Amino acid sequence: EVQLVESGGGLVQPGGSLRLSCAASGFTFSTYSMTWVRQAPGKGLEWVANIKEDGSEKYYVDSVKGRFTISRDNAKNSLYLQMNSLRAEDTAVYYCVSRRRTAESWGQGTLVTVSS
Amino acid sequence: DVVMTQSPLSLPVTLGQPASISCRSSQSLVHSDGNTYLNWFQQRPGQSPRRLIYKVSKRDSGVPDRFSGSGSGTDFTLKVSRVEAEDVGFYYCMQGTHWPLTFGGGTKVEIK
Repeated sequence: EVQLVESGGGLVQPGGSLRLSCAASGFTFSTYSMTWVRQAPGKGLEWVANIKEDGSEKYYVDSVKGRFTISRDNAKNSLYLQMNSLRAEDTAVYYCVSRRRTAESWGQGTLVTVSS
Repeated sequence: DVVMTQSPLSLPVTLGQPASISCRSSQSLVHSDGNTYLNWFQQRPGQSPRRLIYKVSKRDSGVPDRFSGSGSGTDFTLKVSRVEAEDVGFYYCMQGTHWPLTFGGGTKVEIK
């Protein structure tokens, strides 16, 4: 059974940093592209970033370019999102999702709240 | 960016009756590899999204066959042949063809 378990969310002040992690199991992680999608409270879904299977290609939504970095460790079956210079508008549940073009499986999400 | 426009925003449905959600893209979703990356997701209250349909019409394992997807180019539809109580929630389309990937604004399905 595919499992994606996010962690690392929490309350952070504007301008602060957080690192989200996603532990993957139940599939061959190294052969899957991976994605982060977020959902602000009461709002719709927004794609944030994705990364190819080997980490060679990374794409970001414009609003996070230069502030967020997606990475992966295939040896540890893990996906990461380093978030710097956080803003109030980054407040959302962040989902780890497998496959970048078809968004196959989703984790339960981790809540990031940016507030002073 | 490719804009995904869903309609209606809200869809009150009688149990056992059909329902249909439209999703239109501002550009063709046919990828250079020949695939059309149009996907549909269901988000029940308090839950994570779950994929129902990928590449326009391929239904995921475990998804009831009352759900079906169709369309081509820029015009796509999700149909539910007979709505059940467990179908209540939000439905989103998503295009995976062009960067940045984009979602429709969502359709809220509720029981009349």
